[in-house]
Amino acid sequence: GQNIDQPTEMTATEGAIVQINCTYQTSGFNGLFWYQQHAGEAPTFLSYNVLDGLEEKGRFSSFLSRSKGYSYLLLKELQMKDSASYLCAAMDSNYQLIWGAGTKLIIKP
Amino acid sequence: ETGVTQTPRHLVMGMTNKKSLKCEQHLGHNAMYWYKQSAKKPLELMFVYNFKEQTENNSVPSRFSPECPNSSHLFLHLHTLQPEDSALYLCASSQGPGDGPRETQYFGPGTRLLVL
Repeated sequence: GQNIDQPTEMTATEGAIVQINCTYQTSGFNGLFWYQQHAGEAPTFLSYNVLDGLEEKGRFSSFLSRSKGYSYLLLKELQMKDSASYLCAAMDSNYQLIWGAGTKLIIKP
Repeated sequence: ETGVTQTPRHLVMGMTNKKSLKCEQHLGHNAMYWYKQSAKKPLELMFVYNFKEQTENNSVPSRFSPECPNSSHLFLHLHTLQPEDSALYLCASSQGPGDGPRETQYFGPGTRLLVL
């Protein structure tokens, strides 16, 4: 079957670095997405990886290892506004997104 | 971000009511989606439309009925819902079809539905 695993909740301190891991099993693979969702709001697109390696976008970076079925989202210089849920989704061979349940990130002062 | 809009934002309905959710995208996309989001669960894909044609129906009960009159508008008609249908209903669109970047989905703010 197809499956995405990510931690349910993580806590980090303002100004620190946090890494949110995601492992996936899909029928075929056409890329890995990360979305951010603040409480009561729409998920917003953060990143897309299809090749192995690290992609950096400002304070956020996303990493992919296709051979390991593994990705992580790295958030640097954490700010209070980064408190949100982070959703991992893998695209299968039919270009359908398989979603994780999301990781709720709590930032403490 | 006003690329994808949804109305109403909140809806309370009884089990015998009929209501409709509306979604509109202003991004020139060709694919539109309905999702159900329940607390602590993954997003559940309900329906997919590509170029106004329904291409996916993930075993959704018939009390949910989608309608896509054109590539910019998507409706979800609701009737005789159950309390377990209470959730956040999200609409999304993508440029699609094709490779990953074209399949990137952009979401509306959702309709928070409560069925009493």
